[in-house]
Amino acid sequence: EVQLVQSGAEVKKPGESLKISCKGSGYSFTSYWIGWVRQMPGKGLEWMGIIYPGDSDTRYSPSFQGQVTISADKSISTAYLQWSSLKASDTAMYYCAAEGHVWGKGTTVTVSS
Amino acid sequence: DIVMTQTPLSLSVTPGQPASISCKSSQSLLHSDGKTYLYWYLQKPGQPPQLLIYEVSNRFSGVPDRFSGSGSGTDFTLKISRVEAEDVGVYYCMQSIQLTFGQGTRLEIK
Repeated sequence: EVQLVQSGAEVKKPGESLKISCKGSGYSFTSYWIGWVRQMPGKGLEWMGIIYPGDSDTRYSPSFQGQVTISADKSISTAYLQWSSLKASDTAMYYCAAEGHVWGKGTTVTVSS
Repeated sequence: DIVMTQTPLSLSVTPGQPASISCKSSQSLLHSDGKTYLYWYLQKPGQPPQLLIYEVSNRFSGVPDRFSGSGSGTDFTLKISRVEAEDVGVYYCMQSIQLTFGQGTRLEIK
């Protein structure tokens, strides 16, 4: 079965760092791009960026350039989304998606003092 | 940035009746490779989005044939021929040239 399994919910304080993960299985991880999508509470979907695990080519949406880092470790079929200094406004659900049609169940990130 | 504008933002439909959602892009989505990169997703409550339609009019695997997509260039439409209770949720159009979603259209059942 093709699936993406995301890491569990996180509760962090402003200023802390965070790295969440998305592990692919059931398909050739290096052959398909993986994207990250943000959904703030009660709001719509926003693409943050995508990575092609085969060569780690990464593209960011303008709104997220410099705010997050997307990476992948093809040896363990896992993509990552990380922040160096979280803000309260980073509170959201984060989804990974492979080729736009296989989606993880989402990781809830809550940033609160 | 390519801006995607959906109308209406909400729909209330009687089961068995049709529904239609419009999506307009600020630039043509026709790529130089001849494909048009417009997609439709449905996000049911509490779930991740699911792909319904890819490249304007192709139903994804397992999507019922009551869903259809049409359009070209900058104007696109998703149609549901006969709405069922399980179709409740938020529908998004999305373009993959610069990766942006529309605002979403909430479908509810009357």
